[in-house]
Amino acid sequence: NAGVTQTPKFQVLKTGQSMTLQCAQDMNHNSMYWYRQDPGMGLRLIYYSASEGTTDKGEVPNGYNVSRLNKREFSLRLESAAPSQTSVYFCASTRVGTPTQHFGDGTRLSIL
Amino acid sequence: ELKVEQNPLFLSMQEGKNYTIYCNYSTTSDRLYWYRQDPGKSLESLFVLLSNGAVKQEGRLMASLDTKARLSTLHITAAVHDLSATYFCAVGRSPLQGGSEKLVFGKGTKLTVNP
Repeated sequence: NAGVTQTPKFQVLKTGQSMTLQCAQDMNHNSMYWYRQDPGMGLRLIYYSASEGTTDKGEVPNGYNVSRLNKREFSLRLESAAPSQTSVYFCASTRVGTPTQHFGDGTRLSIL
Repeated sequence: ELKVEQNPLFLSMQEGKNYTIYCNYSTTSDRLYWYRQDPGKSLESLFVLLSNGAVKQEGRLMASLDTKARLSTLHITAAVHDLSATYFCAVGRSPLQGGSEKLVFGKGTKLTVNP
């Protein structure tokens, strides 16, 4: 009963490197989300995918791209990492008719 | 732009005491969520409040929603150490197809319950 699985759990990058964070859910959920969590800031929505084949920007999309690969998987890409993108990234998902978002365990990303 | 404010941001309380965390938001919404996060962990859903006047209780925690005042409260009764965590409220907006929606989170209330 995995729920929402994020990989990797930890990553250190150098400025300018690229990286893709992976998220997969096994609950047959339609909608998926990427958030970042910074100290004292709560969670902020980066991108979301309401359903397979669609993606849209959230509050803080600059510097990121996403791909909804299929119904299960939603990846987040940093093309050229910057120190300001050091954060904890959470993926979440919801199914039709149930508004509660289910979160993964997070990816702790440090950019030097 | 929807803004969500929680207060207090830090709360230190003794076991056995009662306290309330407040969540105010700036624009109309009928959907309010409370989550718990332990240090270094993911977010766990506590309550979903879907209408004005909604009240939900689980153990020592009770959440309520007043959509007219744009206010939700999370009341803690007879706190125990195990309740130490960070609590987030989140307000739903811009419903998406299938009933899901985008969430705007408060900054969180870090609760420490001391013996």
